[in-house]
Amino acid sequence: AQTVTQSQPEMSVQEAETVTLSCTYDTSESDYYLFWYKQPPSRQMILVIRQEAYKQQNATENRFSVNFQKAAKSFSLKISDSQLGDAAMYFCAYRSLNNNDMRFGAGTRLTVKP
Amino acid sequence: KAGVTQTPRYLIKTRGQQVTLSCSPISGHRSVSWYQQTPGQGLQFLFEYFSETQRNKGNFPGRFSGRQFSNSRSEMNVSTLELGDSALYLCASSQDRGYYEQYFGPGTRLTVT
Repeated sequence: AQTVTQSQPEMSVQEAETVTLSCTYDTSESDYYLFWYKQPPSRQMILVIRQEAYKQQNATENRFSVNFQKAAKSFSLKISDSQLGDAAMYFCAYRSLNNNDMRFGAGTRLTVKP
Repeated sequence: KAGVTQTPRYLIKTRGQQVTLSCSPISGHRSVSWYQQTPGQGLQFLFEYFSETQRNKGNFPGRFSGRQFSNSRSEMNVSTLELGDSALYLCASSQDRGYYEQYFGPGTRLTVT
């Protein structure tokens, strides 16, 4: 079964700075999807960014970008120009195309300091 | 489009009781997944329904069950509640094509006393 590992339980960044959240996964599949979700305190989980495994180009959504290293099975999230509203729990997720299984990492709590 | 809705938002039950939670997916989404979120265990997958059929199931006891209706709305039921069932229960819907990304509802906060 696929596993998703987020090795940083907590991260902190100064406002306007850049931070990178790590995610690794284990799979024997060649095609799959990867996602980063954000869950602000007491608020709804929302999709931040997504990546198809067969696409080599890293996905970008405004200030959010990923560094997808398929061979290394790594999928890190970079947040540029961090804002106070970026403070949240961030989850990395893997979606299998074989069985539609969706796996989440344990999450990284990001604090943004003014 | 309206987002995923879950009812009720908060619930307090007593040990031994049963509870039913409801989820209405985004219009056009036929897949509905349920997750249990707790501080200690994180986000754990309960089950996924697609076209009224359970397609995937997580590692939870049989006290946890679900169903999906023809309009894609889904319910999950927990029988014989235990203190450890206290959690935020999240529902997520997705299309069965494209990126298959899931869109989450606000969750139902269940407290078992």
